[in-house]
Amino acid sequence: GAVVSQHPSWVICKSGTSVKIECRSLDFQATTMFWYRQFPKQSLMLMATSNEGSKATYEQGVEKDKFLINHASLTLSTLTVTSAHPEDSSFYICSARAETGAYGYTFGSGTRLTVV
Amino acid sequence: GEDVEQSLFLSVREGDSSVINCTYTDSSSTYLYWYKQEPGAGLQLLTYIFSNMDMKQDQRLTVLLNKKDKHLSLRIADTQTGDSAIYFCAERGQDSSASKIIFGSGTRLSIRP
Repeated sequence: GAVVSQHPSWVICKSGTSVKIECRSLDFQATTMFWYRQFPKQSLMLMATSNEGSKATYEQGVEKDKFLINHASLTLSTLTVTSAHPEDSSFYICSARAETGAYGYTFGSGTRLTVV
Repeated sequence: GEDVEQSLFLSVREGDSSVINCTYTDSSSTYLYWYKQEPGAGLQLLTYIFSNMDMKQDQRLTVLLNKKDKHLSLRIADTQTGDSAIYFCAERGQDSSASKIIFGSGTRLSIRP
């Protein structure tokens, strides 16, 4: 079945540095990928829709200059948290829709970011 | 905008059935999903139902959809300790390559011995 690999699974970084999270579709091509953020004991909030070859579409309230999304190929989308601060600490999950299949959405295993 | 609501907690005895309820507001929803999340892990798709169906059964899982009331439920028969997790209801609007999924707040299911 469709598999989405997300890397790294966890990362600790210093305040002010940038962190890149990768999301790969392993056995299918994904023209669209989605990035979610989940705070402890809360639901997933959609941050942005990543479109291959074009700019990402950000949800209201999400700073596009802080959360840079690049979707340069049909199998890879990256989320870069720039100048990270402790309030950016969260669980980030990507999702991709397989081109085949009735339901199509597969989620990565998530990345836990801790900014110290 | 779209909204999906669920109760936050459910506690059931091992062996009993669990019923998790969800309501949504988007009348153009095409697919509705149930995802399971264990601590520190990503989301696992449990099951889904297309909007023109009213019931779907898959082993211990039964999904009921009342489209008129925009109500979705997940029944887990013979609940086991391994079913302890957070269950998210989610919906997707019109079918397009860019359709996004909207999640509910999640229901934390705990199992009593």
